[in-house]
Amino acid sequence: AQSVTQLGSHVSVSEGALVLLRCNYSSSVPPYLFWYVQYPNQGLQLLLKYTSAATLVKGINGFEAEFKKSETSFHLTKPSAHMSDAAEYFCAVSDFTGNQFYFGTGTSLTVIP
Amino acid sequence: EAGVTQSPTHLIKTRGQQATLRCSPISGHTSVYWYQQALGLGLQFLLWYDEGEERNRGNFPPRFSGRQFPNYSSELNVNALELEDSALYLCASSLLAGTDTQYFGPGTRLTVL
Repeated sequence: AQSVTQLGSHVSVSEGALVLLRCNYSSSVPPYLFWYVQYPNQGLQLLLKYTSAATLVKGINGFEAEFKKSETSFHLTKPSAHMSDAAEYFCAVSDFTGNQFYFGTGTSLTVIP
Repeated sequence: EAGVTQSPTHLIKTRGQQATLRCSPISGHTSVYWYQQALGLGLQFLLWYDEGEERNRGNFPPRFSGRQFPNYSSELNVNALELEDSALYLCASSLLAGTDTQYFGPGTRLTVL
């Protein structure tokens, strides 16, 4: 079975600093990988998606993620944090059977002014 | 284009009662997914419907059930409510079954007293 591990349930960064949210997956074959963002009292919004094309995936709001097969990682980054980036971020994986999405437990990002 | 909609926004029930939650997918999407987001537990996969059939279910007791209608809308039923069923219930839809991107609704907040 697939699994997703998000290291750090809470991450704090200063406004303008680099954002790095970590995600590692377990899979015997390259999966489809996703990052979603959830603002308070809202549903999840897709940030970006990896589907075995380019290993560096660019998403919305200046976020990007790099698929590293050797490290089974799909970390999310943004060069300069903005106050509006404060939210909960979820990494998810889907295998080729597509029977199920597996979500990480989420990372809460706080941006300090 | 309208997104995924869910109703009601909030639902308050007492232990032992039944709850019915509803979801309308994005037009043209045939797959509907249900997730439970309880405080501190991340997203837990509940059910997946595609073309009117239940395709997969997560590790939840049988009192969690649902169905998908011919217009692809879906409802989630929770019988014999327990206090720990209090959570945000999220519905998502996708154009293709399985590995395709899931688009989420705003959720239904269920409170069991």
